[in-house]
Amino acid sequence: EVQLVQSGAEVKKPGESLKISCQGFGFSFISFWIGWVRQRPGRGLEWMGIIFPDDSDTRYNPSFQGQVTISANKSSRTAYLQWSSLEASDTAIYYCVRHRPQSASYILSWGQGTLVTVSS
Amino acid sequence: DIQMTQSPSSLSASVGDRVTITCRASQDISKSLAWYQQRPGQVPRLLIYTASILQSGVPSRFSGSGSGTEFTLTIDSLQPEDVATYYCQKYNTVPNTFGGGTKVEIK
Repeated sequence: EVQLVQSGAEVKKPGESLKISCQGFGFSFISFWIGWVRQRPGRGLEWMGIIFPDDSDTRYNPSFQGQVTISANKSSRTAYLQWSSLEASDTAIYYCVRHRPQSASYILSWGQGTLVTVSS
Repeated sequence: DIQMTQSPSSLSASVGDRVTITCRASQDISKSLAWYQQRPGQVPRLLIYTASILQSGVPSRFSGSGSGTEFTLTIDSLQPEDVATYYCQKYNTVPNTFGGGTKVEIK
């Protein structure tokens, strides 16, 4: 069974750093583009960016470029999303997603989501 | 970047009604469009890709059509379990932008 298992909820203060994770099971991790989607409270879905774990080729939505860093470790089958300095506006659920094989196209699978709360 | 606009933003319909949601792209995206369903409190799931291909396991009352800049998602006979927010997403080029969503409720 294909699974994307994300790290647990986080509560942080503005200015703090954070790295959340997503571990893949049941599929060839290096053969799929893995991405991140943001959903702010009561709002829609926002596509943030993707990484191809085999060679770490990374593409960002220009709206998120410079705001977050996407990385991956193919040996541990884990993708990461990190912030160096969080803001209150980063409060959201972050979904890890798996795109179709060998293609940065539609999303086949979703993780359970990681709730990040940034509040002073 | 290409913008995706959905309409309406919300709708209310009766069980058994035919429901149509529209998604417009600001530039030609050929058939590089997917539709997702997000039920309340749940993770989104893929319904349709390549504008009209039904994902495995999705009920046949869902269908998609369109190409270029205008696309539609149709629910042929609305069921209570279809209460959800529906999103389109384009994927011809990065970024794979989502539409703003359409919230479907039962009247």
